[in-house]
Amino acid sequence: GQQVMQIPQYQHVQEGEDFTTYCNSSTTLSNIQWYKQRPGGHPVFLIQLVKSGEVKKQKRLTFQFGEAKKNSSLHITATQTTDVGTYFCAGPSGSARQLTFGSGTQLTVLP
Amino acid sequence: SQTIHQWPATLVQPVGSPLSLECTVEGTSNPNLYWYRQAAGRGLQLLFYSVGIGQISSEVPQNLSASRPQDRQFILSSKKLLLSDSGFYLCAWSAGFEGEQYFGPGTRLTVT
Repeated sequence: GQQVMQIPQYQHVQEGEDFTTYCNSSTTLSNIQWYKQRPGGHPVFLIQLVKSGEVKKQKRLTFQFGEAKKNSSLHITATQTTDVGTYFCAGPSGSARQLTFGSGTQLTVLP
Repeated sequence: SQTIHQWPATLVQPVGSPLSLECTVEGTSNPNLYWYRQAAGRGLQLLFYSVGIGQISSEVPQNLSASRPQDRQFILSSKKLLLSDSGFYLCAWSAGFEGEQYFGPGTRLTVT
């Protein structure tokens, strides 16, 4: 079945440093979604990318969808303590009629 | 706007006791509904999903079951809890299989 892998699993950064998490799917995706889960909270939808090579920005967050629609990345510029949490990517699994979530990248920002 | 409710927020249950977690969605009709479980520090494990009243698909064989008695109500149940059932249970809804999912606040279950 479809697999979605994320790296790194954990990332510790100093406040103000940049951060990037990568997502790779074993199959071509119709779209890629990103979610953020704060410690103790629930996942919150951030964004969806649909087009090959698409780039979207949300303030300091930049999301990219690969040309082959099998990989994606989330880049945070100048991290802040409010960026702490786990970032998940997810893609539709086609015939399985569900979203396949990556294992997540847990970001810690040191003040 | 749409909102999703889950209760209770936390639950401590002894091994062998029954379980019933409820999830309701407001502000939308005929949503896809999902139950996930998340172990501490881990990813999301899809347990069940439903595309309509009475329609349940199970992803993981275990001692849990789900029901959808009304369009916007999704219930997760167990007749006898195991220690391994401890975790963070999340309900989510979406408008379609490929669309974004919106999660409820979750229930933290500890089986003792």
